[in-house]
Amino acid sequence: KAGVTQTPRYLIKTRGQQVTLSCSPISGHRSVSWYQQTPGQGLQFLFEYFSETQRNKGNFPGRFSGRQFSNSRSEMNVSTLELGDSALYLCASSSSPGLITDTQYFGPGTRLTVL
Amino acid sequence: DQQVKQNSPSLSVQEGRISILNCDYTNSMFDYFLWYKKYPAEGPTFLISISSIKDKNEDGRFTVFLNKSAKHLSLHIVPSQPGDSAVYFCAATSGSRLTFGEGTQLTVNP
Repeated sequence: KAGVTQTPRYLIKTRGQQVTLSCSPISGHRSVSWYQQTPGQGLQFLFEYFSETQRNKGNFPGRFSGRQFSNSRSEMNVSTLELGDSALYLCASSSSPGLITDTQYFGPGTRLTVL
Repeated sequence: DQQVKQNSPSLSVQEGRISILNCDYTNSMFDYFLWYKKYPAEGPTFLISISSIKDKNEDGRFTVFLNKSAKHLSLHIVPSQPGDSAVYFCAATSGSRLTFGEGTQLTVNP
């Protein structure tokens, strides 16, 4: 079974631009979560989508948004990029988000650099 | 408000010895805990988990201990191998999102 895929793997943008990142979950998984990883901050939760609906949202400004399509693929968008948005953006998929023991499987991430 | 903390950013051990990675949490609502391992240029990989109703879970060389009264969990790797060198994240959940610690870089020296 193919793992979680994320595109692109690397991205360089300038301040003020906007960016869209894509995530394809493991086949059969309907839940997709997004995280931001920066040095010393661990993984910060952005949002979670299940069956095309946002189920949960972290403490990020409105410049960060996402959506999920009927095939469970998800995109996240960051508008008006700031230098501090430079990070590794990770996507994770799972099959049973309401289950306490549900395991999330991560993709390789998209490394975003804002200049 | 860092609800899950890994106070040691790095740990170095000799091959064959025990590695102990620590994690503290503040939210008493957390009832499921996980450890992930992350190599450079890869996403985190699930390693082992433990429910709050248990105090120990073992899987091969990896054992996770949970002390609920101290709100502390630890991951023991024994014996440590050079291939275990990676960043280890602990995570906690109360049924919705995962809350991660900052990670500990483990280096196992041959």
